[in-house]
Order: sequence, then structure tokens, then C-alpha cells
Amino acid sequence: EAGVVQSPRYKIIEKKQPVAFWCNPISGHNTLYWYLQNLGQGPELLIRYENEEAVDDSQLPKDRFSAERLKGVDSTLKIQPAELGDSAVYLCASSSGTSGGTPDTQYFGPGTRLTVL
Amino acid sequence: AQSVTQPDIHITVSEGASLELRCNYSYGATPYLFWYVQSPGQGLQLLLKYFSGDTLVQGIKGFEAEFKRSQSSFNLRKPSVHWSDAAEYFCAVGGGGFKTIFGAGTRLFVKA
Repeated sequence: EAGVVQSPRYKIIEKKQPVAFWCNPISGHNTLYWYLQNLGQGPELLIRYENEEAVDDSQLPKDRFSAERLKGVDSTLKIQPAELGDSAVYLCASSSGTSGGTPDTQYFGPGTRLTVL
Repeated sequence: AQSVTQPDIHITVSEGASLELRCNYSYGATPYLFWYVQSPGQGLQLLLKYFSGDTLVQGIKGFEAEFKRSQSSFNLRKPSVHWSDAAEYFCAVGGGGFKTIFGAGTRLFVKA
């Protein structure tokens, strides 16, 4: 079974440029997460989707970040314009949903390492 | 508010020695607790999780963790460390609604 796929793996851009990250979750997983991981820190949730609906985007900086999951499968996270402080690893994860009210295991992709110069 | 504290930024152990990584959490209700491992350039992989029941949880790769409600702890242990265990380890706490909070991580170094 293929895992969570993310591309690109690495991206270097200059500040004020736009950038987009793509994620394809495990087949059949309805829940998709985007996390931000700063150097030396744990992942922080940016947005969570249930199918195509963003059910938790409270931590997404909406002035410059946007995300979409149009058909409830793959997803794109965009930053426009990028700032120096956006340099980090962007992780995507997916899960199959709840099991009797308890959270299901999240499966993580390898991440996209963004460097903003 | 939920929070997770991993007191040790990094730990060095000799190959074959035992390991314990500390994790303390703050959560107002019964927590769901997780340990993940992240190797360089890789995503996080779930080692084990605690939802309810037996407070000693067995995971993959020979790891186990013990939930101690009175101490708000969920420490990860392994009786004999292998060089391939060198990685970053994250403790996480979650509850209803899927909100999962991760600790800052503990980097494990293994000496030959």
C-alpha cells in the first residue's frame, strides 16, 4: 500500500514569491491534515479536512496561506507571498477517520522542506 | 489547554543500553496519547498509542510506554537500544475532535 505522497520534497524560493505544496493521502482516507514543523519543534496543525470540507482551519494564517481539497482526495497548500519566517517543513498526514469516537492513526508523508531566501 | 512537555532536548545512550524518554502532558479530560518517531528526512511514524485500558502499552520496534495518570506522564521505554533507533521522538496528546498537540521532541543519539 502506498503511503502519503508529498511533492516537492524540497523547495527554495525568494521572499514574496508564491509556493505550492501537493499531497496525495492514502487511498480511502477521508481525513487529511497539513502541519507546519519548525526546526527543533513538533508539528503544529494548520488545517484539517474531512473529505473536501475544511473542518479546522483555526491555525491557518489566512492572509497568506490557503488550502484546497476539491475532490476530497489530494490537497494543495499555498503560500502567497512567502516570508522568511515561512522556512520550515510542511507535513501532510491522513487518517481513515474515527473509530467509535477515538482518533484514528495519522499517517505522515515525508514532508516538503521550504527555504525562503 | 492541552500541552505536552518533553523535558529532554536530546539524549545519548550506548547501544544495548536501556532507554527512557520522558513525556508529561496537560489535558482536562481523559487523554489519547501517542509516541511518534521521525528519522532524518522522513515523516513521523507511529510507535504506539494509548486510548484506554491497560496502562502499559506495547508498540512496534520493541518500544513500550506506560500511562501514569497521577503523574500526567507517558514515558517511552526500550530495554535495549539499537543504532537504528537514533532519531527524533515526539510525544503527542489528543482528544475528541482530532486536535493533536505534539511535544518539541527528544533527539536520541546512540553510541557504538
